[in-house]
Amino acid sequence: QKEVEQDPGPLSVPEGAIVSLNCTYSNSAFQYFMWYRQYSRKGPELLMYTYSSGNKEDGRFTAQVDKSSKYISLFIRDSQPSDSATYLCAVNDYKLSFGAGTTVTVRA
Amino acid sequence: DTAVSQTPKYLVTQMGNDKSIKCEQNLGHDTMYWYKQDSKKFLKIMFSYNNKELIINETVPNRFSPKSPDKAHLNLHINSLELGDSAVYFCASSQVPDRVIGANVLTFGAGSRLTVL
Repeated sequence: QKEVEQDPGPLSVPEGAIVSLNCTYSNSAFQYFMWYRQYSRKGPELLMYTYSSGNKEDGRFTAQVDKSSKYISLFIRDSQPSDSATYLCAVNDYKLSFGAGTTVTVRA
Repeated sequence: DTAVSQTPKYLVTQMGNDKSIKCEQNLGHDTMYWYKQDSKKFLKIMFSYNNKELIINETVPNRFSPKSPDKAHLNLHINSLELGDSAVYFCASSQVPDRVIGANVLTFGAGSRLTVL
């Protein structure tokens, strides 16, 4: 069983829409949950991370963790074409395990 | 000034050849990693070094041999290349050592795209 499962999409939305991305994880011991963004032909870069359950907001981005259901979410409000990228969730065990990544395209 | 730099950026080679990818970080981090990203974007860890010591060695063919001459450098040598080795290889570094204390935030390089013909 993979440590993190993520729907690879792809996901295409019009500009201004809310983008909703989700992952599930297997090990209830995980405490840190991360979202990385990867533009085409670039390396992944950290977008934001949360500790344990709850929400974290950074501008148009909101990360949510529900430890009871082992569910991680990322919401992008007022999406822009510049948000078009692959979004990877990750759980922070000793090696940082990634989901498969969801490719998002925001259409102008 | 690039934090994690990899060379070469692109590598095209024939099956059976041997090739190396080099990585350097100037962040002062203690831990470095090699990840492999396949055509479906799945990012999977291969190796990790902490202060030149191998701490993670996932199920990787022994044709892959990492080497860390110092904590700022981590190289990857691949012998007898196969078609299935075609992928993007990412080097990364972080400050967290072999066990997680807090969030282990990795900084990635731009990747080395390997194509085996």
